[in-house]
Amino acid sequence: EAEVAQSPRYKITEKSQAVAFWCDPISGHATLYWYRQILGQGPELLVQFQDESVVDDSQLPKDRFSAERLKGVDSTLKIQPAELGDSAMYLCASSLVDTSYEQYFGPGTRLTVT
Amino acid sequence: GDSVTQMEGPVTLSEEAFLTINCTYTATGYPSLFWYVQYPGEGLQLLLKATKADDKGSNKGFEATYRKETTSFHLEKGSVQVSDSAVYFCALKYSGAGSYQLTFGKGTKLSVIP
Repeated sequence: EAEVAQSPRYKITEKSQAVAFWCDPISGHATLYWYRQILGQGPELLVQFQDESVVDDSQLPKDRFSAERLKGVDSTLKIQPAELGDSAMYLCASSLVDTSYEQYFGPGTRLTVT
Repeated sequence: GDSVTQMEGPVTLSEEAFLTINCTYTATGYPSLFWYVQYPGEGLQLLLKATKADDKGSNKGFEATYRKETTSFHLEKGSVQVSDSAVYFCALKYSGAGSYQLTFGKGTKLSVIP
C-alpha cells in the first residue's frame, strides 16, 4: 500500500540552527499539506500546496519558516533559525485532489530544539 | 472561527468495556466531520467520517453520528480491545478561500488494559 514518506523521523537541533524536513507524498496526489502538532494538541495546518503552488500559508510563520514543492511532487519544510518553541511533530499529508476528504498522513518528524 | 472540543484524556478502560469519546464543534455552515486515530509511532489515519446531519460513520466497530441539533459527533465502540489503544482526534473540514483544511481537536488518549 502506498504511503507518505517523511525524513528524518527524529531531529535534535540547537536553537538558532537551521533544520529541514522532507516529504514524499503518495504518487499522483496533487495536494500536499504540512501540519505542526505540539505535544498534547491536535495538528495545525502550516501550508497547503496544490501541485507546485501554495494554496494556503496563512498559518506559516514566514519570518523563519519556508516551504517549497518545486516540481509538484516532494516537498521540503525549512526552519531558520530554530527556536525552542518550534519543538513539535511535523506531519506531512497528501490527497488526490483539493476537495478530497481523505488526507493520508506520513509518520511525522519529531523535532526537539535545545 | 471554526473549532472542535473533545473530552480530556487520558481514558483508561478494561478490555471489552464500552467506549464513548465526546466531541462537539462550532462552525459556520455545515462542515463535514471526521475521527482520526494515531497509533504509537505512526501518522494519523482516517477512522470514519460523516458529511451531513444524521449521517452515521462507522469503521472497525467504531461509530459516530453527526448531530446538528447538539453540534456533536461522539465516538462510540461497544467492546474495546487492547489494540484500540491510541490517540483519537475529532476534526471538521473548514472551507476557506481555495483551502480545505482540517481543524482538529486536542486529541484523547485511550489506553485499554487486558
